Amino acid sequence: TAGITQAPTSQILAAGRSMTLRCTQDMRHNAMYWYRQDLGLGLRLIHYSNTAGTTGKGEVPDGYSVSRANTDDFPLTLASAVPSQTSVYFCASSDLSGVREQFFGPGTRLTVL
Amino acid sequence: GQNIDQPTEMTATEGAIVQINCTYQTSGFNGLFWYQQHAGEAPTFLSYNVLDGLEEKGRFSSFLSRSKGYSYLLLKELQMKDSASYLCAVLDSNYQLIWGAGTKLIIKP
Repeated sequence: TAGITQAPTSQILAAGRSMTLRCTQDMRHNAMYWYRQDLGLGLRLIHYSNTAGTTGKGEVPDGYSVSRANTDDFPLTLASAVPSQTSVYFCASSDLSGVREQFFGPGTRLTVL
Repeated sequence: GQNIDQPTEMTATEGAIVQINCTYQTSGFNGLFWYQQHAGEAPTFLSYNVLDGLEEKGRFSSFLSRSKGYSYLLLKELQMKDSASYLCAVLDSNYQLIWGAGTKLIIKP
């Protein structure tokens, strides 16, 4: 199985432009997450969704929006990109019972100039 | 606030043993995870502890003391492929994962 896929792999974006990072999972996990990872910092949660139709804010939600129209897809949108949003973005998914291990996609490397 | 501390970088020799420590202060506790992350790749799950004690999985072991807010990851018989960052994360009372900044482990021949 593919697990979690993300697209694009990398992107250079002009400041002020909008962009949607795509994330799809085929494990039928209820929960999905978006993180950003910056050098010297831990993974920081941007938004999450515990089930289709619901979303929640994480630690660093400003400047980002998400939607969860179905179980498999969880896109992250930057409405008007700024240089501080330059980062590596990881999508993850998990069950909401048991160990709740999170499975990660391969990441999207975004540079905002 | 919530905080997870782990060393920034460690160096060890191939074939040796290394212990990576993690201390945490979080709002509630529903388990502690260790993930491995090779450079340029996604984190992958290594271990999970929710009760005090040692969990062993091949060359890797993870220990937890909830009363001390402390965990360690023990890697034995180090191989060059173990060069990676090791991330400690705690599942808090809201079942959100709080992540440490990671420990970069350098293995020398």
